[in-house]
Amino acid sequence: EIVLTQSPATLSLSPGERVTLSCRASQSVSTLLGWYQHKPGQAPRLLFYDTSNRATGIPARFSASGSGTDFTLTISSLEPEDFAVYYCQHRRNWPHTFGQGTKVEIK
Amino acid sequence: EVHLLESGGGWVQPGGSLRLACVVSGFTFDDYGMSWVRHAPGKGLEWVSAISESGDGTFYGDSMKGRFTISRDNSKNTLYLQMNSLGVEDTAVYYCAKHLMKMSFFDYWGQGALVTVSS
Repeated sequence: EIVLTQSPATLSLSPGERVTLSCRASQSVSTLLGWYQHKPGQAPRLLFYDTSNRATGIPARFSASGSGTDFTLTISSLEPEDFAVYYCQHRRNWPHTFGQGTKVEIK
Repeated sequence: EVHLLESGGGWVQPGGSLRLACVVSGFTFDDYGMSWVRHAPGKGLEWVSAISESGDGTFYGDSMKGRFTISRDNSKNTLYLQMNSLGVEDTAVYYCAKHLMKMSFFDYWGQGALVTVSS
């Protein structure tokens, strides 16, 4: 099974700041990686699929990149609604595992 | 508008069984693969199981193999998850999720069904 390791576990930031989240795979997933945002009491929301394809309705302040084993999700300027947990997931082979998540919290 | 609605959650004793259902609307159900994903208290998201559009392909997370069975009834627009030999570690909110394309990422999710395994 491919293990996805996200870092850091938690980020404490203020609105307006730039944030970069990391997701590292234990073996290459090519570009078959996605990102989700998850807020308490809500269903997760797809942000990006296949590395850098923005899902419907995702604002331009979100961007994603990477390939192989190293991937990043960037939020250029944090809005209040962006404080949440972010997960990466791959679809290279089964099982389609998730990373353990990065919590972006208000400083 | 796409909707996914889970049902069947609840409390069950260790070793027990439960069947979750997810009724969908707003898209052509048999055009898309579907999955179950769970979120245990204090933990991250965990992919549970997936099923192909026709139901002839099924896939499971390692800790679910042999205990969980995913199925679908395309005539009823319904996805199922039969869970047997449940343990306390299976306590979680279980989400059904629609694949964006083929067996891809999840673009629509239900609101979740809480499963509590406790004595």
